[in-house]
Amino acid sequence: ETGVTQTPRHLVMGMTNKKSLKCEQHLGHNAMYWYKQSAKKPLELMFVYNFKEQTENNSVPSRFSPECPNSSHLFLHLHTLQPEDSALYLCASSPTGNEKLFFGSGTQLSVL
Amino acid sequence: DQQVKQNSPSLSVQEGRISILNCDYTNSMFDYFLWYKKYPAEGPTFLISISSIKDKNEDGRFTVFLNKSAKHLSLHIVPSQPGDSAVYFCAASAPRGSQGNLIFGKGTKLSVKP
Repeated sequence: ETGVTQTPRHLVMGMTNKKSLKCEQHLGHNAMYWYKQSAKKPLELMFVYNFKEQTENNSVPSRFSPECPNSSHLFLHLHTLQPEDSALYLCASSPTGNEKLFFGSGTQLSVL
Repeated sequence: DQQVKQNSPSLSVQEGRISILNCDYTNSMFDYFLWYKKYPAEGPTFLISISSIKDKNEDGRFTVFLNKSAKHLSLHIVPSQPGDSAVYFCAASAPRGSQGNLIFGKGTKLSVKP
C-alpha cells in the first residue's frame, strides 16, 4: 500500500464513450501526476499538478482532460479515445520539489 | 530518441548470486538518478537513488553505481532473492523546472530462480 489509490483497476471502453479515471493520495503531498505506460515503452509523463495548478502538459491530446479539485484528488477524463490509447495509466504523487514519486497501482485501459 | 536506455529487456539470475541491471543515458544535464521496482498489477515503487555528486549509494542488498564519464549507472542486488523478481526501471532527472519530469527507461525484467 503506497498511499495512492486508483480506480478503476481495469476499464474497457468504446471509442465513443466518456469515462473518468480517479486517483486519491493520503500522503499529504502537494504534487500529483498522470503517467502512461504502453507496452514495451517507457513511462511517459502526461500531466503534473502542483498545489492544484497544472504545471505541465506533455503535449497530450485533448481527448485526455485532467482535473485536480484539491491536492488529494486527481482525475483523468477520457473522451473519444483511440485504440492506440490502450495502456496502463499510472497516477503518482510527491512532496513538492521531490522526485521520489509514489505511484498508484494503475488503471489498465482497453479501448475497443 | 530515448534519453534513458535499458538495453536488456530481461535478466535471469540464480538465487544467492549477484544481479546487475544496467542503464545508460544521453543527457549530460541529468543530475539525479533513481531505480524503481514494479511487480505485476502494482505501480512502481521507489528503490534507491543517487545524486551526480556521488558515484555509489548503498542500501542493504542494493547498491547503485554511477559512472558520469560513461553516462552509465548500474544496480547491483546481492544476494538476489526470488522476491526480487520484478521489472526494474531506471529514471533520471535534470535541474529544472518541470517538477516530476523523470525520464524513465523501458525497464528490465529480473527473474531470480530458486
